[in-house]
Amino acid sequence: DQQVKQNSPSLSVQEGRISILNCDYTNSMFDYFLWYKKYPAEGPTFLISISSIKDKNEDGRFTVFLNKSAKHLSLHIVPSQPGDSAVYFCAASAPGGRQLTFGSGTQLTVLP
Amino acid sequence: DAGVTQSPTHLIKTRGQQVTLRCSPKSGHDTVSWYQQALGQGPQFIFQYYEEEERQRGNFPDRFSGHQFPNYSSELNVNALLLGDSALYLCASSPGALGETQYFGPGTRLLVL
Repeated sequence: DQQVKQNSPSLSVQEGRISILNCDYTNSMFDYFLWYKKYPAEGPTFLISISSIKDKNEDGRFTVFLNKSAKHLSLHIVPSQPGDSAVYFCAASAPGGRQLTFGSGTQLTVLP
Repeated sequence: DAGVTQSPTHLIKTRGQQVTLRCSPKSGHDTVSWYQQALGQGPQFIFQYYEEEERQRGNFPDRFSGHQFPNYSSELNVNALLLGDSALYLCASSPGALGETQYFGPGTRLLVL
């Protein structure tokens, strides 16, 4: 039973355009959501997070949107850069913040 | 300010052997979590340690055990290794009892032959 799903295994975007990565969840107890970026041979790097009391959080080129009624979140990267090419994971936690539940990841390729 | 560090970076073992992986948390963090990442999948939660005790455990057998030391560093032990234990093992640290954002180390790549 996958509680966090990333249905697109890969995404290709032209440099300078917007990248939109999507994530769906099924557990209504989740109240904190995170996005991580992972390069090969490295651990996941924290990018941005959002609490369930918000519907949007921005940090520079990265914006995360949360739609609680649809149990859906998305990460927008604008403008996309070749260095953004990596695997992106969304993750969620329930109150207490102990266990992160991850999606299976989306490979983003930004083409120059 | 050092981030999360893990050792060793790579390890090769044979079936039935035992392995110990080590983790030092980010400065100021006292909570350590361990994850297993199989190829093509997202990390799977193994367990979390806080105040030298296991606070929560994921769906992993008792062959997986851990320890946290007074300096907050941690070890992951896996006994009776199976081929299916081959994976990237990630350590993450967070601050305080309710730290929600976890910061990951580079991982230890374990290959079981």
